[in-house]
Amino acid sequence: DAKTTQPPSMDCAEGRAANLPCNHSTISGNEYVYWYRQIHSQGPQYIIHGLKNNETNEMASLIITEDRKSSTLILPHATLRDTAVYYCIVLISNDYKLSFGAGTTVTVRA
Amino acid sequence: EADIYQTPRYLVIGTGKKITLECSQTMGHDKMYWYQQDPGMELHLIHYSYGVNSTEKGDLSSESTVSRIRTEHFPLTLESARPSHTSQYLCASSSPGQAWGTQYFGPGTRLLVL
Repeated sequence: DAKTTQPPSMDCAEGRAANLPCNHSTISGNEYVYWYRQIHSQGPQYIIHGLKNNETNEMASLIITEDRKSSTLILPHATLRDTAVYYCIVLISNDYKLSFGAGTTVTVRA
Repeated sequence: EADIYQTPRYLVIGTGKKITLECSQTMGHDKMYWYQQDPGMELHLIHYSYGVNSTEKGDLSSESTVSRIRTEHFPLTLESARPSHTSQYLCASSSPGQAWGTQYFGPGTRLLVL
């Protein structure tokens, strides 16, 4: 599986958009980009995934660069409840083994 | 919002006891998973199931066993708990219509073995 690189932490003001970058320069053509988050002491929560097109759902938007070597997760209006560790991972379509790495600790401040 | 439930949420038990951690989902998902995670540490897949009567071991060696007699139910059993089993156990499931990486997690069971 391709490795991903994320900044260790970032702050965001409540109500503003949070843009979380992820580098995956060795991604292969059949690997999807997934984002999960984990709020302290809770189970991980699936956010969004994509292959090469930008994706949007009720939680977030995922922007994948044309060369697919990086992506950005956008939380359009961050709330205090979005404070969590966010994980970017890459998986082929039939891979079920989630492995999160260090992730980005996002702190949303009032 | 995913409907996946785990009980108990917290369990403190003595060494040598047999325990069963329950996991149920009401979404009709065919695939289910058990992960182990220590605080602030990586997830480790310990068991998974493709469907009824299917169970497989994950990457992390575990002394636990699982069963999948019904689609919605995937219990994990430790025959003889030890302090090394102290951890958080997370159950997850995924839909037949989605990529396997799209998994919905339960709230977890925090186990402390004394």
